[in-house]
Amino acid sequence: DTAVSQTPKYLVTQMGNDKSIKCEQNLGHDTMYWYKQDSKKFLKIMFSYNNKELIINETVPNRFSPKSPDKAHLNLHINSLELGDSAVYFCASSEARTAGETQYFGPGTRLLVL
Amino acid sequence: AQSVAQPEDQVNVAEGNPLTVKCTYSVSGNPYLFWYVQYPNRGLQFLLKYITGDNLVKGSYGFEAEFNKSQTSFHLKKPSALVSDSALYFCAVRLDAYSGAGSYQLTFGKGTKLSVIP
Repeated sequence: DTAVSQTPKYLVTQMGNDKSIKCEQNLGHDTMYWYKQDSKKFLKIMFSYNNKELIINETVPNRFSPKSPDKAHLNLHINSLELGDSAVYFCASSEARTAGETQYFGPGTRLLVL
Repeated sequence: AQSVAQPEDQVNVAEGNPLTVKCTYSVSGNPYLFWYVQYPNRGLQFLLKYITGDNLVKGSYGFEAEFNKSQTSFHLKKPSALVSDSALYFCAVRLDAYSGAGSYQLTFGKGTKLSVIP
C-alpha cells in the first residue's frame, strides 16, 4: 500500500535516554514533516524538510533533530528525553512545500517518558 | 501570523441529522483551508481542502465545507450523520504566499470531537 509509515508505534523509555522514531513514505513526495500532538490533542509543526531546506519551528528544543538519509525517509532523533516529551509524534509528507499541497499523515508514534 | 479557531470542543448530533463543525481563520492574505479527521489511536486523514474557485468544496465520506471570505469561516458539513463519523476533526490553514522561513506552515485548530448518537 502507498502510505506514510512510522516505527515504532509505541515507545516507552526512561528520562535521559536517547531515542529515534523512523518515518518512511512511498508516495514519491519531496517534502516531509514532523508534528507533535500533546495530551490535549493540540497539533504543532516541529520540522519541515525537503532535499533543499530544513525549516525548524523555533520553539522546538535542540534535543530534537531530524535526519533524512534519503528523500523517502525522515527520522526524528531525540536526545536526553524529558517527561514533557511524552506525546504522539506524527510524520507527514506532501508532494512539494507549496501552499495548496495536501499533507498525508502517518499513524503516529506514542512516546511515553517515565 | 495565521491562526484557526474551532469554537466547539465537542459537537453531539443524532444519527441521520445534519452536522456542522465550525472553523474560523485569521491570515494576512489569501488562505488555503483544510479539514482532517482523526479516529481514535489513528493518524490524521485528509477530508477536503479549499484552494480557489467554488466556495463549496466536496470531500471524502460525503463531507463538504463552505468557504466564506467575509465571515472568515470554513465550516464542515454533512447532510446526514453516521455513527461511524464519530471522531476528532481538525481544521487547518496555510497562507498562499511565500514569506520566508515558516511559509506554508500548516496551522491546526485545537480540534472538535464529534459524537454521533444512534
